[in-house]
Amino acid sequence: DAGVIQSPRHEVTEMGQEVTLRCKPISGHDYLFWYRQTMMRGLELLIYFNNNVPIDDSGMPEDRFSAKMPNASFSTLKIQPSEPRDSAVYFCASSLAPENTGELFFGEGSRLTVL
Amino acid sequence: AQKVTQAQTEISVVEKEDVTLDCVYETRDTTYYLFWYKQPPSGELVFLIRRNSFDEQNEISGRYSWNFQKSTSSFNFTITASQVVDSAVYFCALSEEHRDDKIIFGKGTRLHILP
Repeated sequence: DAGVIQSPRHEVTEMGQEVTLRCKPISGHDYLFWYRQTMMRGLELLIYFNNNVPIDDSGMPEDRFSAKMPNASFSTLKIQPSEPRDSAVYFCASSLAPENTGELFFGEGSRLTVL
Repeated sequence: AQKVTQAQTEISVVEKEDVTLDCVYETRDTTYYLFWYKQPPSGELVFLIRRNSFDEQNEISGRYSWNFQKSTSSFNFTITASQVVDSAVYFCALSEEHRDDKIIFGKGTRLHILP
């Protein structure tokens, strides 16, 4: 089975532009997580979904960030407008129901650079 | 308060040496899970192990072993006879019962295995 698929792998954009990151979780996984990784702050949980419903978005930095999961096989993380401090690697991860709590399957990440 | 502390930011050892990565956690829950993940240079995080709070047995998997001690709130990871392929960033993580499936990561320890 294919793993978690993220796109784009790399994105370079200018400050003020809209950025959309995409994620396809592993089929059958009920949970989807968005993480951000930076040197300064490490790996931060931004938001997670259970059965397509956002459960906890307390990690979303501010209103410029939004995430959606319109169906079980697709999620987006949008930044509008983007700022240089948003530069980071954004990871999507998915997992099965709580019986497998914590065994996250990560995508390869989307490296975002905002100039 | 920081939930997961990995005090060692970077470690370098010569190949074939043993190395221990420290992890100290903080929680008020009696039921919780602890994890280790590996992030090789390719960037994708890979699950290594999960431990629940009621299982203090140490675990060994090949050259990897984990020492869980509730008395000191530690969950340390030892690599025996290290190899260059073990070079990676290693993350310790915690999820608490009252925060179902929300996993908090430590800041990671970057391990360099020198040939």
